[in-house]
Amino acid sequence: LAKTTQPISMDSYEGQEVNITCSHNNIATNDYITWYQQFPSQGPRFIIQGYKTKVTNEVASLFIPADRKSSTLSLPRVSLSDTAVYYCLAPGSARQLTFGSGTQLTVLP
Amino acid sequence: GAGVSQSPRYKVAKRGQDVALRCDPISGHVSLFWYQQALGQGPEFLTYFQNEAQLDKSGLPSDRFFAERPEGSVSTLKIQRTQQEDSAVYLCASSLLAGASYNEQFFGPGTRLTVL
Repeated sequence: LAKTTQPISMDSYEGQEVNITCSHNNIATNDYITWYQQFPSQGPRFIIQGYKTKVTNEVASLFIPADRKSSTLSLPRVSLSDTAVYYCLAPGSARQLTFGSGTQLTVLP
Repeated sequence: GAGVSQSPRYKVAKRGQDVALRCDPISGHVSLFWYQQALGQGPEFLTYFQNEAQLDKSGLPSDRFFAERPEGSVSTLKIQRTQQEDSAVYLCASSLLAGASYNEQFFGPGTRLTVL
């Protein structure tokens, strides 16, 4: 069961890079790591997914070390609209779809 | 294109009433998931369908909760004899592929259920 642990909250300022780290010590060989973003009164939205090393898309990067026991979501140059809750998941099966409490990111002007 | 839709968006029920929540997934998506999200918490898994087969219902909190997806598309989550602790947002998500790991989920806006 790949239970994840991430900080409850983080504050940042506009224009800064934000890194949110998630630990998943019990991740299994075949499990992928996925990050979602959720705004109030909306369903979560997929941000990025990876298995190892580094993945980059138009909104974020995901860094995964060789042991895969943690991962870091990197948001470059955040804006006020990036204020949201960010969830890290590493499910091996449907019943392991544990979102937890996520990380509340607050971007300040 | 159309995303995942859910109806109703808001539902108020008196304790003891039955409710039915509908989810219209993205057309062609194999997997469908239901979640319950309490205020201030992350979504909690309820049940998972692969096409019309309910492969996992381990997250359903009691036998008052029932979900179906009879034709492998639209799904309904039914809650019988609602209790106040059932008050939450119920989220539906669909994904193109089978399984939970390598599989981007697309979420609907949720149905906010309030039980009085």
